[in-house]
Amino acid sequence: SQKIEQNSEALNIQEGKTATLTCNYTNYSPAYLQWYRQDPGRGPVFLLLIRENEKEKRKERLKVTFDTTLKQSLFHITASQPADSATYLCALDRRGSQGNLIFGKGTKLSVKP
Amino acid sequence: EPEVTQTPSHQVTQMGQEVILHCVPISNHLYFYWYRQILGQKVEFLVSFYNNEISEKSEIFDDQFSVERPDGSNFTLKIRSTKLEDSAMYFCASSVGGNYGYTFGSGTRLTVV
Repeated sequence: SQKIEQNSEALNIQEGKTATLTCNYTNYSPAYLQWYRQDPGRGPVFLLLIRENEKEKRKERLKVTFDTTLKQSLFHITASQPADSATYLCALDRRGSQGNLIFGKGTKLSVKP
Repeated sequence: EPEVTQTPSHQVTQMGQEVILHCVPISNHLYFYWYRQILGQKVEFLVSFYNNEISEKSEIFDDQFSVERPDGSNFTLKIRSTKLEDSAMYFCASSVGGNYGYTFGSGTRLTVV
C-alpha cells in the first residue's frame, strides 16, 4: 500500500541546535516533494520544494535533501529559534498528478530557549 | 506579500443544508485547489482547477461537492447537503504552476451540527 510517514510526531530541541525531520514514503513515484510549516488553526505555509533529480535544496537556515533510492527526505533547520516551533508537513507531488499533494501527518517541533 | 483570502473564517450549519465557501486566490496564479483537514488528521486533497475546469478530484469530492470560478477573482466550494463528517477546516490554495509551491489561505472552519 502507499504510505507517507513522518517518523516523529513530536521533536523537542534546544535553541541554537539543528532540528532534523524525516519523511519516508513507500510505493509512490514522486516528481516533487514539498515541505510546509503549519501553525495551530492556520493554513500550511510553503517552505521548500525539491525535485526528484535534485539531492539538496537550501533556503536561509533551511535545508532539504531527497534520496529517491532510500525513499526519504530530510528537513533541517539550523540555529533553531523558539519562533521555529510549529508543525512541519511533508507533501508528495506524484508524477502525473494535477495538484493532488499527499501530505504526511506532520512533526510538531518545539524549540526551547 | 500576496495572500489567498478565505471567507468566512467560521461557518456553522445544520446537517442537510448547503454551504458555499469563498476564496480569492492570488491574482497571477493559474492553478487553484481545495484541501481539507479534519481535526487532528492529515491535510487531504479535494480538487484542483485549471483553465476553468476541474483537473483532478479525490474520492472525497463526490456529487455533493462542486467548485466554481464565477468571475476573474473568486473561487468557491459548494457542499450541497452537508453531513456531520464534512466538519473540518477547508483550505483554498493557489499556485503559479504545477511544479511550484502552493499558497494556502487561512481556512474556513466548517462545523455541521
